[in-house]
Amino acid sequence: DQQVKQNSPSLSVQEGRISILNCDYTNSMFDYFLWYKKYPAEGPTFLISISSIKDKNEDGRFTVFLNKSAKHLSLHIVPSQPGDSAVYFCAASAYTGNQFYFGTGTSLTVIP
Amino acid sequence: DVKVTQSSRYLVKRTGEKVFLECVQDMDHENMFWYRQDPGLGLRLIYFSYDVKMKEKGDIPEGYSVSREKKERFSLILESASTNQTSMYLCASSFTGLAFFGQGTRLTVV
Repeated sequence: DQQVKQNSPSLSVQEGRISILNCDYTNSMFDYFLWYKKYPAEGPTFLISISSIKDKNEDGRFTVFLNKSAKHLSLHIVPSQPGDSAVYFCAASAYTGNQFYFGTGTSLTVIP
Repeated sequence: DVKVTQSSRYLVKRTGEKVFLECVQDMDHENMFWYRQDPGLGLRLIYFSYDVKMKEKGDIPEGYSVSREKKERFSLILESASTNQTSMYLCASSFTGLAFFGQGTRLTVV
């Protein structure tokens, strides 16, 4: 049973516009959320995270929003650049556990 | 910089072979993980370990085993490789809620 879901397998955005990647989760015990970026033939690299005590976290062009009541988070990339083209994975973990639960990924293509 | 190193980038093995995938981390992390990534299925957890000689099954442990004899090293073993184990294998280590991944091993079983 998938506890973390990314319902959009792919997304195409024009360079300079905003990219919005979405993620939903089902387990209310999750209290820490992460986004990873993955290029083909490479391992995922950490991008940005958010704790459940916050509803927003920003790092440069990347902002993650968390809506706990809806069990939904999103990653905003503004402005999008061609180098952002990659697969983005959402992940969740619980303070009481030591596992990470990953979504199925969204493949972002930024069109020059 | 945290470094997680997987022993091979690409491997081609024959059906029925015993396959060893090695992973080493240099940050003294307690937790280590093996995932496989397949198109449309995301990252699926095979096994993880939270201490030396400790292991826990993940979501898809069938056909795999693991070994953690030293804190820095976590090995994934395919007892008898099959074609449905062709995949990208990713090792990770973690401490304080952040996972660091190796570069991945693309395994092809023919």
